[in-house]
Amino acid sequence: SQQGEEDPQALSIQEGENATMNCSYKTSINNLQWYRQNSGRGLVHLILIRSNEREKHSGRLRVTLDTSKKSSSLLITASRAADTASYFCATDSRTGNQFYFGTGTSLTVIP
Amino acid sequence: DGGITQSPKYLFRKEGQNVTLSCEQNLNHDAMYWYRQDPGQGLRLIYYSQIVNDFQKGDIAEGYSVSREKKESFPLTVTSAQKNPTAFYLCASSITGLGVGEQFFGPGTRLTVL
Repeated sequence: SQQGEEDPQALSIQEGENATMNCSYKTSINNLQWYRQNSGRGLVHLILIRSNEREKHSGRLRVTLDTSKKSSSLLITASRAADTASYFCATDSRTGNQFYFGTGTSLTVIP
Repeated sequence: DGGITQSPKYLFRKEGQNVTLSCEQNLNHDAMYWYRQDPGQGLRLIYYSQIVNDFQKGDIAEGYSVSREKKESFPLTVTSAQKNPTAFYLCASSITGLGVGEQFFGPGTRLTVL
């Protein structure tokens, strides 16, 4: 399976701190995406990084991609209580017609 | 939830019954997907469709069936052959099933087998 794995499985921080979560995957990809899921809801797309990119920013989000290590990280700066959610990475298949989701990191931001 | 609706939000089924979960999108997307999510787990792909009247099995298709008669609709039937159907089901769509593109998700249907 190409399914990615996020690390850590759970993360608890104080509001205002930065949160970093990591994703590792197994095979070559065209792109990697990060999604957010609030409890009992659907997923919301956060950011996409292509295999030829190393870093991407979107607001308080910073994503890095290291294709040599087959890993990515998501940094959320100046966290807020509203950032409490599960975060998933998703990679595409070699043929590009499927997405493989990781197991997720559960983030709790304490006010 | 990005123009995708799923119904019902909660569904209860007796063992041995087939049930159909609805998924509709008004985003004019070609590709649609069905995922299953178990507690504390990631998403696993059940079926996907890249175009009308065509669909492919995902990693866990056994016990499920789909149809894609219209571009905007991709219903999922959970049959009695699915041994452990209690889960959270998510439908998604993307502009195209090929290459790069974000997926837009519906709010999900929580299925419980009694």
